[in-house]
Amino acid sequence: EPEVTQTPSHQVTQMGQEVILRCVPISNHLYFYWYRQILGQKVEFLVSFYNNEISEKSEIFDDQFSVERPDGSNFTLKIRSTKLEDSAMYFCASSEQEGQYFGPGTRLTVL
Amino acid sequence: AQSVTQPDIHITVSEGASLELRCNYSYGATPYLFWYVQSPGQGLQLLLKYFSGDTLVQGIKGFEAEFKRSQSSFNLRKPSVHWSDAAEYFCAVGGRGYSTLTFGKGTMLLVSP
Repeated sequence: EPEVTQTPSHQVTQMGQEVILRCVPISNHLYFYWYRQILGQKVEFLVSFYNNEISEKSEIFDDQFSVERPDGSNFTLKIRSTKLEDSAMYFCASSEQEGQYFGPGTRLTVL
Repeated sequence: AQSVTQPDIHITVSEGASLELRCNYSYGATPYLFWYVQSPGQGLQLLLKYFSGDTLVQGIKGFEAEFKRSQSSFNLRKPSVHWSDAAEYFCAVGGRGYSTLTFGKGTMLLVSP
C-alpha cells in the first residue's frame, strides 16, 4: 500500500540554525501539507501546497518557514532560523480527494 | 471558525468491552469528518472518514463512526476493544477531502486486562 515517507525521523539542531525536513508524498496525490504537533498539544496546520504553490497557510507559517517541491517526488519544509519553540513533531500529508494520509513524522528538537 | 472538541482526555476500557469516543465539531458548511489514530512514536493513521451518504461509516480495525448532524457529532465506536487498540485518537474536520484539517486535542485510550 502506498504511503507517505519522511526523513529524518529525528533532527536535533541548535537554535538559529536552518533545518530542512523532507517528505515523499504518495505518488498520484496532488495536494501536500505540513502540520506540526508540539508535545502534549494537538496537531496544527501549517501550510498546504497545490500546483507548485502555497494554497493556504496558517498564522504559524511566518517568514521563517518555506516549502518547496524541488523535483517530482520530494516536498520539503525549511525553517530558516530555528527557535526553541519550533521543537515539535512535524507531519507531512498528501491527498487526492479522499482524505489526507500522513507520514510518520520528523521529531525536531531545538537546543 | 471551525473547531473540534473531544471532551475526554483519557478513557480506560477493559479488553473485550465496547468503546465510544466522543467528537463534536463546529463548521460553517458541510463538514468532512475524519478519525485518526496515533500509536506512541508513530504517525497518524486514517481510521475512517465521512464525506456524504450513509451516516454510519465503517473503517479499518473494526471501528465505525456515526455522523449526527443535529448533534454536530461524529463519535467513534468499536464493539470489542483489543489491547492493541491502546493509542491516541484524533477527530478532525475539513471542508473537502483535500482541504486543511482542524484537529481535536485527542483522546488517549488505555486498555486494561
